[in-house]
Amino acid sequence: EAGVTQSPTHLIKTRGQQVTLRCSPISGHTSVYWYQQALGLGLQFLLWYDEGEERNRGNFPPRFSGRQFPNYSSELNVNALELEDSALYLCASSLRGRGWDEQFFGPGTRLTVL
Amino acid sequence: RKEVEQDPGPFNVPEGATVAFNCTYSNSASQSFFWYRQDCRKEPKLLMSVYSSGNEDGRFTAQLNRASQYISLLIRDSKLSDSATYLCVVEDSWGKLQFGAGTQVVVTP
Repeated sequence: EAGVTQSPTHLIKTRGQQVTLRCSPISGHTSVYWYQQALGLGLQFLLWYDEGEERNRGNFPPRFSGRQFPNYSSELNVNALELEDSALYLCASSLRGRGWDEQFFGPGTRLTVL
Repeated sequence: RKEVEQDPGPFNVPEGATVAFNCTYSNSASQSFFWYRQDCRKEPKLLMSVYSSGNEDGRFTAQLNRASQYISLLIRDSKLSDSATYLCVVEDSWGKLQFGAGTQVVVTP
């Protein structure tokens, strides 16, 4: 069974640009979560989508946004990139949007903002 | 104050020894608790859930202390392959997971 996939694996952008990251959950999973992991820091919760709707968002500015498609895949968009947005962006999926469901993580997209 | 706090370590452990570390959480209403493991430059993976009565999975034992709001992880008979960062994870009041910054464990020969 295929795991969570993310694309691209690496990305280099400059300040002020916009970026779109993509995530495909495990087949059958309806919930998708996005996390930011900056160097030396823990995972910071960004967004949670379930059944196509945004269920919750973390403490990030509005320039971080996303959506979930009917096939449950998801995009994370970051506008007006800043240097501190450089991080590993991890996507995870779970069977349903319940806190106790195991989250399966993708390999991440490493974003570098110059 | 962070919602989930962990000692970053590293905990340097001789092979075969026992290591234990805690994680504190601030939200007394939290219901679900987990330990995830993250290898260097890899994605996190679920190690074990933490149940109220405490639970064991092979060499790993997890405990929950609701009164003091902490969970613990104990690793017995450490193996070199146990070297990783262990992430404490707590479900908050809104059903989303809050991750600690992780405790690094280094098992040495």
